[in-house]
Amino acid sequence: EIVLTQSPATLSLSPGERATLSCRASQSVSSHLAWYQQKPGQAPRLLIYDASNRATGIPARFSGSGSGTDFTLTISSLEPEDFAVYYCQQRSSWPALTFGGGTKVEI
Amino acid sequence: EVQLVESGGGLVQPGGSLRLSCAASGLTFSTYSMDWVRQAPGKGLEWLSYISRSSATIHYADSVRGRFTVSRDNAKNSLYLQMNSLRDEDTAVYYCANIHFDYWGQGALVTVSS
Repeated sequence: EIVLTQSPATLSLSPGERATLSCRASQSVSSHLAWYQQKPGQAPRLLIYDASNRATGIPARFSGSGSGTDFTLTISSLEPEDFAVYYCQQRSSWPALTFGGGTKVEI
Repeated sequence: EVQLVESGGGLVQPGGSLRLSCAASGLTFSTYSMDWVRQAPGKGLEWLSYISRSSATIHYADSVRGRFTVSRDNAKNSLYLQMNSLRDEDTAVYYCANIHFDYWGQGALVTVSS
């Protein structure tokens, strides 16, 4: 099983600041990595697929980078609605998809 | 507007059974492979199962293989998850999602407790 480790567990920032979230895979997943945002009581929302492609309707302040085992989700300037939990997901070992443990971005 | 709506959640005793449904609208359901994902209270996301468009290919996570059965009825635009031999650790919110994970249901809460 491919294990995804997200860091930090919690990121305390203010609106307008830059957020940098990390996801590290236990083995190479090439570029088969996605990022999701989840707010309390809601389903996850796809932000980024294939490491760096924004999903439909996702603002340009969200960007993804990386390949192999190290990936980054960057939010260039935090908006109030961006405070949430973020998960990475690898699709390399399909169908055995796995998710990271999440990073909470809080004020 | 695409909608996936889960139903069938509730409280069940350990060892019991429950059947979740996921009703799709606003998309051509038969052209999408589908997945189930769950989230235990306060925890992360866990992929559970995959079913192809024609039901010809099905996969399960080790944690539910042999206890859960996924199926679909394309004529009814519906996806199902039959859950048997439920355990305390199956308590979670269960989500259906399409193969690309860009459409998700709102989730159905399943609580396994005596």
